[in-house]
Amino acid sequence: SQTIHQWPATLVQPVGSPLSLECTVEGTSNPNLYWYRQAAGRGLQLLFYSVGIGQISSEVPQNLSASRPQDRQFILSSKKLLLSDSGFYLCAAGSLNTIYFGEGSWLTVV
Amino acid sequence: GQQLNQSPQSMFIQEGEDVSMNCTSSSIFNTWLWYKQDPGEGPVLLIALYKAGELTSNGRLTAQFGITRKDSFLNISASIPSDVGIYFCAGQRGGSNYKLTFGKGTLLTVNP
Repeated sequence: SQTIHQWPATLVQPVGSPLSLECTVEGTSNPNLYWYRQAAGRGLQLLFYSVGIGQISSEVPQNLSASRPQDRQFILSSKKLLLSDSGFYLCAAGSLNTIYFGEGSWLTVV
Repeated sequence: GQQLNQSPQSMFIQEGEDVSMNCTSSSIFNTWLWYKQDPGEGPVLLIALYKAGELTSNGRLTAQFGITRKDSFLNISASIPSDVGIYFCAGQRGGSNYKLTFGKGTLLTVNP
């Protein structure tokens, strides 16, 4: 099965600062990659997904962007964080109709 | 995005009891997945269902892909304290680039 690594695990950033969350995948090649955000209300919101290197689809307009510089690397970024960007961010990788999640990254914007 | 209707929202049970939760949708899905999430961690895949009517077990967990392809249920037998967590259903439609639609989760509390 796949292993998905995310870092950092926790992050406290001031408003207006940049953001970079990284995700790498092991155990598979050419996976579909996803970034989700989970708010306190438990729901999982799909932010971005990618079907290949350099191919990014955005699900909702927001203050964030994503990039996929390598097959198994997915990066979530922001140039200027907002308070509303706080949350639990999950990277996921999928193939063969199954999606696996990483450990998550807690972002607190202060 | 579209949400699945997952119920119940929360459950408080005694250790040893059986648990049942389900998800329904107005849309047809080709795949149903069930995840468990512990506090502060990512969801972990429990069971994946790929065929209408399929019944699959994973230890004390049993899940079924509804025959109409619009619903799925998860049963946990003889619950134990470590079953505590949030359980999510997720459905995937054909041609969706493997994007999942998630339920809002069922929070399970098990009293020892």
